[in-house]
Amino acid sequence: ILNVEQSPQSLHVQEGDSTNFTCSFPSSNFYALHWYRWETAKSPEALFVMTLNGDEKKKGRISATLNTKEGYSYLYIKGSQPEDSATYLCAFNRLNSGYALNFGKGTSLLVTP
Amino acid sequence: NAGVTQTPKFRVLKTGQSMTLLCAQDMNHEYMYWYRQDPGMGLRLIHYSVGEGTTAKGEVPDGYNVSRLKKQNFLLGLESAAPSQTSVYFCASSYLRAIQETQYFGPGTRLLVL
Repeated sequence: ILNVEQSPQSLHVQEGDSTNFTCSFPSSNFYALHWYRWETAKSPEALFVMTLNGDEKKKGRISATLNTKEGYSYLYIKGSQPEDSATYLCAFNRLNSGYALNFGKGTSLLVTP
Repeated sequence: NAGVTQTPKFRVLKTGQSMTLLCAQDMNHEYMYWYRQDPGMGLRLIHYSVGEGTTAKGEVPDGYNVSRLKKQNFLLGLESAAPSQTSVYFCASSYLRAIQETQYFGPGTRLLVL
């Protein structure tokens, strides 16, 4: 994998369902993995930054895990609510590339009542 | 704090016209970035700055110039706009403390080049 890949591209779930999506990234020269939440007509907002293999972060009903050896991160949302509807972006820092972030195309989540 | 602000919010240009997008941040961040967002693609880095008076090229710098004369402002210029530059432009900023610092984004500028 040369760049960040996110799957699925879009997801439609019912309120109360739990869901998860994947971010795959190059495992070589890894430095940090970021998750952002991006609501329509707003700015992307940071959710998590993870640097260590095995890292798990949690914010309310949203959590994320990181596997740097195999190059993937999962984002989980427990009991989805309509307000969780947004695009979830994954981005990573690579060693020796400064502070630049490489972004995936995002997973678009729609939660309907 | 206003965070990261961008002006204008929306602009329509004719091919060949020039314009400058302004990004301002009031968080005393050292790093600032310009990205473009196109349908079906991730955010792509155009240029970035590691401090006042310094700039560097990102992934897609062609057709753009930038300046960082003051720490709080980062300007993105289009000297001769082309339809391929129709996009949504996002500015971001971050602290210098560590590479994994969170980037804080502005609300975006929608640019249409006819």
